[in-house]
Amino acid sequence: AQSVAQPEDQVNVAEGNPLTVKCTYSVSGNPYLFWYVQYPNRGLQFLLKYITGDNLVKGSYGFEAEFNKSQTSFHLKKPSALVSDSALYFCAATTATNAGKSTFGDGTTLTVKP
Amino acid sequence: DGGITQSPKYLFRKEGQNVTLSCEQNLNHDAMYWYRQDPGQGLRLIYYSQIVNDFQKGDIAEGYSVSREKKESFPLTVTSAQKNPTAFYLCASSEPQGIDYGYTFGSGTRLTVV
Repeated sequence: AQSVAQPEDQVNVAEGNPLTVKCTYSVSGNPYLFWYVQYPNRGLQFLLKYITGDNLVKGSYGFEAEFNKSQTSFHLKKPSALVSDSALYFCAATTATNAGKSTFGDGTTLTVKP
Repeated sequence: DGGITQSPKYLFRKEGQNVTLSCEQNLNHDAMYWYRQDPGQGLRLIYYSQIVNDFQKGDIAEGYSVSREKKESFPLTVTSAQKNPTAFYLCASSEPQGIDYGYTFGSGTRLTVV
């Protein structure tokens, strides 16, 4: 069975500071990894994905994520946080043998303070 | 613009009543999914369909039913057998294997039992 863990329920950062939202995963085989963002009472929006290739992937709104196979992690990062980045962030994982079904973490609420 | 439309945005259900949540997509995606979101529990998979006229149970299918008669449509019925239906329901779609492109989500339906 595959699983995704987001160890922090909440992350607080000051505007302009770098941010990191952590994600670790457990799958059988090569992982396909995703980050999504959710604003209140809305659906999730795709941010970025890792399928293969460079371990550092870049996505929407200046976000990036680093794939670390040995640590089975896929942390979301941004060099300089904005107040508008405040939202709920979900990490998800799947594999080629899992028919495209993604397993989601429980989410991390990011709050960026001015 | 292509996307997923969920309706209604808010739905109220009386005890013992069946209700149907609509999900329509014009992305030409083969795969569609229904997730339930509860506070602090992330997203849990209810049902998914990878092709017309075929669907599979997810992790929490009891008390729910679906149909996939058209590629564009994947309605979810919350039956009276679902004892705790109050939640935020999200529909998603993806490319045939849902691996390379991640999911596209609708804006959600918030169901409340009254």
